[in-house]
Parts: sequence; C-alpha cells; structure tokens
Amino acid sequence: DAKTTQPPSMDCAEGRAANLPCNHSTISGNEYVYWYRQIHSQGPQYIIHGLKNNETNEMASLIITEDRKSSTLILPHATLRDTAVYYCIVRATVGGYQKVTFGTGTKLQVIP
Amino acid sequence: DAGVTQSPTHLIKTRGQQVTLRCSPKSGHDTVSWYQQALGQGPQFIFQYYEEEERQRGNFPDRFSGHQFPNYSSELNVNALLLGDSALYLCASSLAGGLLSSPTYEQYFGPGTRLTVT
Repeated sequence: DAKTTQPPSMDCAEGRAANLPCNHSTISGNEYVYWYRQIHSQGPQYIIHGLKNNETNEMASLIITEDRKSSTLILPHATLRDTAVYYCIVRATVGGYQKVTFGTGTKLQVIP
Repeated sequence: DAGVTQSPTHLIKTRGQQVTLRCSPKSGHDTVSWYQQALGQGPQFIFQYYEEEERQRGNFPDRFSGHQFPNYSSELNVNALLLGDSALYLCASSLAGGLLSSPTYEQYFGPGTRLTVT
C-alpha cells in the first residue's frame, strides 16, 4: 500500500482557507487519493477523492500535483465545525478488492 | 434513509472474555469493512466482507473473526480479549458488488462501538 505523510497538527483562523497537505510519493498510477475527516468520537466522514485532476465538491477542493506525489485538501472558509482530524489515504487494490489504510492524520484546530 | 448503525454504543468486558459487535450497513450497500481505532491513532483495517465471505484481512490475529448475513449486516467477534483490544471499533459500508475498483467507491462509517477491556 502506498503510505501517506501528513503534519500532525495545524491551526486555521475561522473564515480563512485551510490548506492541508499530504505526501504520497509511492502512489501508483491506478491509486486514488481519498480524504476523510473524523470529528471527535464520531466515525470518519468522506470528504473528497481524486486520481490526477483537481476536484471540487460542496465540502472542499482537492489539488493533486502533476507527479501525483502530493496533494492538498482545501477548506475554502473554515468554520469551528471543521475542527477535526483529517486523514489522507490512498486506496490499494489487492486481488480485486479494496483495502483502506489510514495514517495518523492532521488535527485541524479552527480558531475563532 | 438510515446510515450505518452499530450496536452497542459502549461495552465493557473482562480479559479473556468474548465479545460480538454488530453493524447494519447503509441502505443499498452490500460490503462491510471493520476497523479498530486505538486512542490517538487512525483506524486500522481488520477485514472486509462481501457476499458473506471475508475478502480482505488486515494484520489482525485469528481471535478476530466476522460474519456477514444475507441482509448484508455484519458481526465482528473477538475471542480471548486482551487489554490491548480496548478501542473504538468502526464499521464502514459501501456499494461495491464486483466493482471494487470503481472510482465512486466511498465508505460510509458508523459511529463506532467503544470497547473497554479491564
């Protein structure tokens, strides 16, 4: 499985954009980058995913570098409710079935 | 439309005992995965069930076993509990069928079961 590296923690002022980086230098060509977040004591919540093109949905934007070795999750206008642990993961296919490997994530603290 | 549900919410067991955790997938989903999340760590993949069979397994001993029923719900069983088994156990469901490489493969997680082993 491709491994991911994320900073352990980040702060962001409320209303500002939060940019969360992720390194996945060993990603292979058919592996997708997924982002989840986990608010304290809840199950992880899907945010967004992408292969090589930048993606945007109602929650966030995902910017993937051209060499696909890193990506950035952007929360355009962070709110206090965005305080959570954010996980960047790479999907691996093993024998045709998926296995999801989480790292330790980035704890984002949105500050009033 | 109900999301993923898990029961019980919390559970306290003693070392050496056995425990069964239950998961009902999101409506329309047919694949269930189980994760263990220790305090301060990311979720660790235990195994995945599809068509009532275990399809993938993470690095967990045979004390961890599971089952999927015809209605797609699932159970996680842990035998001979150790103190180190104390964790949040998460269930995630997805619609996969045979297309597990589909780019729309999104896992929906339940709220988890907090297991404490004393």
